[in-house]
Amino acid sequence: NAGVMQNPRHLVRRRGQEARLRCSPMKGHSHVYWYRQLPEEGLKFMVYLQKENIIDESGMPKERFSAEFPKEGPSILRIQQVVRGDSAAYFCASSALAASGNTIYFGEGSWLTVV
Amino acid sequence: DQQVKQNSPSLSVQEGRISILNCDYTNSMFDYFLWYKKYPAEGPTFLISISSIKDKNEDGRFTVFLNKSAKHLSLHIVPSQPGDSAVYFCAASEVDDMRFGAGTRLTVKP
Repeated sequence: NAGVMQNPRHLVRRRGQEARLRCSPMKGHSHVYWYRQLPEEGLKFMVYLQKENIIDESGMPKERFSAEFPKEGPSILRIQQVVRGDSAAYFCASSALAASGNTIYFGEGSWLTVV
Repeated sequence: DQQVKQNSPSLSVQEGRISILNCDYTNSMFDYFLWYKKYPAEGPTFLISISSIKDKNEDGRFTVFLNKSAKHLSLHIVPSQPGDSAVYFCAASEVDDMRFGAGTRLTVKP
């Protein structure tokens, strides 16, 4: 009965490289959310996806960031040409139904460090 | 635009006493509210929730109160234990949207 699985747990990238963070939702969950936690800050919403659809990406930076949740396989958060300010903990969460009235469950997070 | 606010970044209480964590929201369309607890280097874990049709929900030592007219919710932990020391996030959702507060770091002293 696996929970939300994220990998890698820790990732180090040099400035200008690409970072790919993966998230496998809980079994039976088709809604995926990505949040970012910058040092000393709270959880900030980035994007909400269902299978093959981006429902809400209002929290995503306009450039360099993209997310997908394909029909098969995990959800991917992709950061191109990383900069130091991208260093943060990235949390994925999933739910069986839409957020309202339902609990979303978080993964353990992926810590990105840009050097 | 911060739709969910936790104005106290930290709170310190003595073991055995009550911890009260507060949260305010601005969006009157939010209809489901949750509290999550987070330890360092771990993901947030769900603690307790409340629907907007209720004003109180209790689960063991944890009680969440909702005041819709004031757009305010609070989490009461009694009695507080050292293992409760963590960062607590409140969250509010409507339809497909869930927003979090900035968190309150609770320290329970033995």
